[in-house]
Amino acid sequence: GENVEQHPSTLSVQEGDSAVIKCTYSDSASNYFPWYKQELGKRPQLIIDIRSNVGEKKDQRIAVTLNKTAKHFSLHITETQPEDSAVYFCAASIKGAAGNKLTFGGGTRVLVKP
Amino acid sequence: EAGVTQFPSHSVIEKGQTVTLRCDPISGHDNLYWYRRVMGKEIKFLLHFVKESKQDESGMPNNRFLAERTGGTYSTLKVQPAELEDSGVYFCASSQDSSYNEQFFGPGTRLTVL
Repeated sequence: GENVEQHPSTLSVQEGDSAVIKCTYSDSASNYFPWYKQELGKRPQLIIDIRSNVGEKKDQRIAVTLNKTAKHFSLHITETQPEDSAVYFCAASIKGAAGNKLTFGGGTRVLVKP
Repeated sequence: EAGVTQFPSHSVIEKGQTVTLRCDPISGHDNLYWYRRVMGKEIKFLLHFVKESKQDESGMPNNRFLAERTGGTYSTLKVQPAELEDSGVYFCASSQDSSYNEQFFGPGTRLTVL
């Protein structure tokens, strides 16, 4: 089955700096890659996603890149702010008859220091 | 619009007891997923309902876990008898259909087995 590795497990950045989280996946059939943000005590929420027919997607300070050949994808947060502090999860899935179950990475705890 | 709700938010039980977790998906969402995060590790898929039918239960750890979704609305996940390794956070998610649509997560139920 699919396996997703996520690095780093923790990331501390100064406010205003950039943060990069990297994930690799094993199943070349995976074609949908969402990123979820979970703030302390709250539910995971989708912040951005990318499909396999796209190499990069941006939404304000957040961007995701996908390299299908290397089977890795990354989340980039620019101009980090204290409210970006949270645990971020990458995931991969295969659209198919069995549905859209997500295989998650282990999570990255991001701390933005003011 | 009300989001995915889960009950209870926390449950502390002793080994050997039974616990039932409940998930109410977003109204109109046919797809309902159960996931769990154990010991700060990755969020792992348990099973997927389409309406009242189990579409994929490949992630269910063993026969101590029973999930139901009678009538295709809310779902329950029963653990009987509970073991220490069942401790973790159980998340429910729902989506309108299984093709790329965002999965909306509930706040989770934190289960502690003593």
